[in-house]
Amino acid sequence: EAGVAQSPRYKIIEKRQSVAFWCNPISGHATLYWYQQILGQGPKLLIQFQNNGVVDDSQLPKDRFSAERLKGVDSTLKIQPAKLEDSAVYLCASSLPGEGAPLFGNTIYFGEGSWLTVV
Amino acid sequence: AQSVTQLGSHVSVSEGALVLLRCNYSSSVPPYLFWYVQYPNQGLQLLLKYTSAATLVKGINGFEAEFKKSETSFHLTKPSAHMSDAAEYFCAVSDLSQAGTALIFGKGTTLSVSS
Repeated sequence: EAGVAQSPRYKIIEKRQSVAFWCNPISGHATLYWYQQILGQGPKLLIQFQNNGVVDDSQLPKDRFSAERLKGVDSTLKIQPAKLEDSAVYLCASSLPGEGAPLFGNTIYFGEGSWLTVV
Repeated sequence: AQSVTQLGSHVSVSEGALVLLRCNYSSSVPPYLFWYVQYPNQGLQLLLKYTSAATLVKGINGFEAEFKKSETSFHLTKPSAHMSDAAEYFCAVSDLSQAGTALIFGKGTTLSVSS
């Protein structure tokens, strides 16, 4: 079974430029997450989708970050304009739960991450 | 709100020694708890999870963790460390807020294994 796919793996941009990351979850997984992991810290949730709807984006800096999952499958995370403090690994993850399924305790599967350096 | 605290940002052991990585949780309701491992330049991989069944949970690669409600702990152990266990380990708890079902992670513990 293919895992969570992410691209690009590495990106270096200058501050105030824009960048986009792409994620394809495990086939059949209804729930998709974007996490930000700053060096030396644990991952922090940015946004969670259930199919193509947003469940939680309370920690997404909406003035510069946006994300979409138009057809309920793959997703794109965009940063514009980037700041130095956005340097981090952006992890995409997915899990099974769909409508009517138990919500909590499900295994979340992570991709290898997209490493962003803002200079 | 749920949270986890990992005690010790860096743990060093010798090959063959006991591995003990500490995690304490805070939750007003029975929690769902997880341990993930992250190898260099890779994503996170699930080691094990506690979902209110048996309090002693066995995971992959010989790791296990015991849920202790009285101590609000979920420490990760392995009887004998291997060089390949060197990695970053994260404890996490399910976010039981109404908004979502994501995980809340601790800051991580780096495990070093020396020969």
